[in-house]
Amino acid sequence: GDSVTQMEGPVTLSEEAFLTINCTYTATGYPSLFWYVQYPGEGLQLLLKATKADDKGSNKGFEATYRKETTSFHLEKGSVQVSDSAVYFCALGNSGGSNYKLTFGKGTLLTVNP
Amino acid sequence: DAGVTQSPTHLIKTRGQQVTLRCSPKSGHDTVSWYQQALGQGPQFIFQYYEEEERQRGNFPDRFSGHQFPNYSSELNVNALLLGDSALYLCASSFGQGRYEQYFGPGTRLTVT
Repeated sequence: GDSVTQMEGPVTLSEEAFLTINCTYTATGYPSLFWYVQYPGEGLQLLLKATKADDKGSNKGFEATYRKETTSFHLEKGSVQVSDSAVYFCALGNSGGSNYKLTFGKGTLLTVNP
Repeated sequence: DAGVTQSPTHLIKTRGQQVTLRCSPKSGHDTVSWYQQALGQGPQFIFQYYEEEERQRGNFPDRFSGHQFPNYSSELNVNALLLGDSALYLCASSFGQGRYEQYFGPGTRLTVT
């Protein structure tokens, strides 16, 4: 079945540092890939997505490229801010027939210190 | 435009009891998916409702059941609660059986004692 493996946390960075959170996946067919973010006490918010190989998703300075050859979708940001502190989830969207479900990784806690 | 809403926010139940959680989807959405998020874990897919029918189910026992109403809102029912059912239950709404972006609600925190 489908699965997502992402970098174990927690990750602690200083403000303006470079961020990489690794994500690899296993799936059949042609999945879409997502990064979701969860701030304390809140639900999940979609951060970015890519629907086919070589697509780059980007939002709020975050980027991730859908690499089919390495089955990866690593999240990057050039300069993190304190407000980026949250849990980040890599997810795979795939269809079971005509229905579409999300499979998530375990999440990576990011803490950014001033 | 209201986003996805869930009620209640928090719930405490005793082992063996039954619980009902509610979800109202984002305006214009016709599909509701439910996920269970245990502490420190990623969300796990429970099931999806479209056109008032369960369309796809994850690896959850029959104690977990649901319903979708004509206005697209949905309920998640869990019978014979176990301690292991303690989790954050997330509802996600979307259009077209989940094929497009799924928008998540804030969740219901269920504690089973």
